[in-house]
Amino acid sequence: DGGITQSPKYLFRKEGQNVTLSCEQNLNHDAMYWYRQDPGQGLRLIYYSQIVNDFQKGDIAEGYSVSREKKESFPLTVTSAQKNPTAFYLCASSLDISYEQYFGPGTRLTVT
Amino acid sequence: DQQVKQNSPSLSVQEGRISILNCDYTNSMFDYFLWYKKYPAEGPTFLISISSIKDKNEDGRFTVFLNKSAKHLSLHIVPSQPGDSAVYFCAASLNTGKLIFGQGTTLQVKP
Repeated sequence: DGGITQSPKYLFRKEGQNVTLSCEQNLNHDAMYWYRQDPGQGLRLIYYSQIVNDFQKGDIAEGYSVSREKKESFPLTVTSAQKNPTAFYLCASSLDISYEQYFGPGTRLTVT
Repeated sequence: DQQVKQNSPSLSVQEGRISILNCDYTNSMFDYFLWYKKYPAEGPTFLISISSIKDKNEDGRFTVFLNKSAKHLSLHIVPSQPGDSAVYFCAASLNTGKLIFGQGTTLQVKP
């Protein structure tokens, strides 16, 4: 059945290491998004992609990078330049940029 | 600058009663509003939406009201059920499709 998968559910890394979070969707959606959620805050947009091989920075893109080589996949790399990487990361997709977004289950990243 | 605000961090209601969750926004260019429900350690699930050209949208127990002059929207859940206990986020969209989320309101429905 269709949906958005994020793996792993929990991820632990040492400070100074880059880490890549996976996001895959089989909904045939053109648009995909990455958000982070911190305690007591709403979701903040990191990057989004309207179509394959194209992506734009969101509100908090510094210290992150993405790629969109396939329609189904939108991996997010948290680099060592990200000052506060510990957070809950959510991937979403939508039919196109103007439709409701559907979210994956999230990855909780802890960097120590 | 917070363009979408949910000023009540939490709300507690009795089962069977009405839950009213509120959301205020500052950008009059927002053209679409959505409500999402989120359980701990899970992704948000889409609940209901409303276009800026409407003032009400209803789906079963859930109704969203939009007051454009006040830049205010609300989500009514009636009757409330214990399974409705979750964090509710309102979100607003510009024509670009980017969603701006509020901080969330934690709803607790007591049996």
